[in-house]
Amino acid sequence: KAGVTQTPRYLIKTRGQQVTLSCSPISGHRSVSWYQQTPGQGLQFLFEYFSETQRNKGNFPGRFSGRQFSNSRSEMNVSTLELGDSALYLCASSLYPEKDRATDTQYFGPGTRLTVL
Amino acid sequence: GESVGLHLPTLSVQEGDNSIINCAYSNSASDYFIWYKQESGKGPQFIIDIRSNMDKRQGQRVTVLLNKTVKHLSLQIAATQPGDSAVYFCAENPRSGGYQKVTFGTGTKLQVIP
Repeated sequence: KAGVTQTPRYLIKTRGQQVTLSCSPISGHRSVSWYQQTPGQGLQFLFEYFSETQRNKGNFPGRFSGRQFSNSRSEMNVSTLELGDSALYLCASSLYPEKDRATDTQYFGPGTRLTVL
Repeated sequence: GESVGLHLPTLSVQEGDNSIINCAYSNSASDYFIWYKQESGKGPQFIIDIRSNMDKRQGQRVTVLLNKTVKHLSLQIAATQPGDSAVYFCAENPRSGGYQKVTFGTGTKLQVIP
C-alpha cells in the first residue's frame, strides 16, 4: 500500500505570495492532519480534516487554511506569505475507524519544504 | 501554535550500547501512545505503539514502557546503531473521546557515536 504523498517536495516563494500544498493520504484513510515543523518551534499542529470537514484547528492565523476532498485528498493554503512561514509542512493521515478510535495511528508523508524569501 | 520549546534535548550514545529516550505526557485520559523516528529531511516514521492497558511492549530492538502513575513513557533501543541517529517523538492520542487531536512531545535527538 502506498504511503502518504505530498507535493511539491520543495517550494521557494517570495513574501506576499500564496502557496498551495497537496497531500494524498494512504488509501482508505479518512483523516488528514497538517503540521508545521521548524527548528525553533518543533512540530506544531495546524488543522485536521475528516469527511471534508475541519475537525480541529491549531493556533495559526487565518492566512493558513485547508480543505479536504471527497476522496480524502487534502490541500492547505497559505496566503500573504511571511518569512516566518519557512518550514517543513507535514501531512499525516489516519484511518479513523469508527470502532477502536483510541488506537488510530497517524502516518506521515515526507513533507513539503517551503522557503520564503 | 503549541509551544514545544526551543531546545531539543540530545542523547549521545556509543554504538552498540542501549539507548533510553524518555517522554512525559500530559493527558491522563490518553489511551494510546506512539513513538516516531524522524531522520533529517524526512517525515516522522512510526516505530512502536502501546495502549494504556499495557505497561510494556516489545518490537524488534525496541521496547516501550508506560508508567501511567507518573504519566511517563520511555523508548529503549537495544544495541544502538548509526542508523538509529534521528529525532524521536512520543505522541499521545486521546481519540477515544471524539475529535481530539494528537499531541506530540518536544522530541529528543539521538546521536550515535561510532
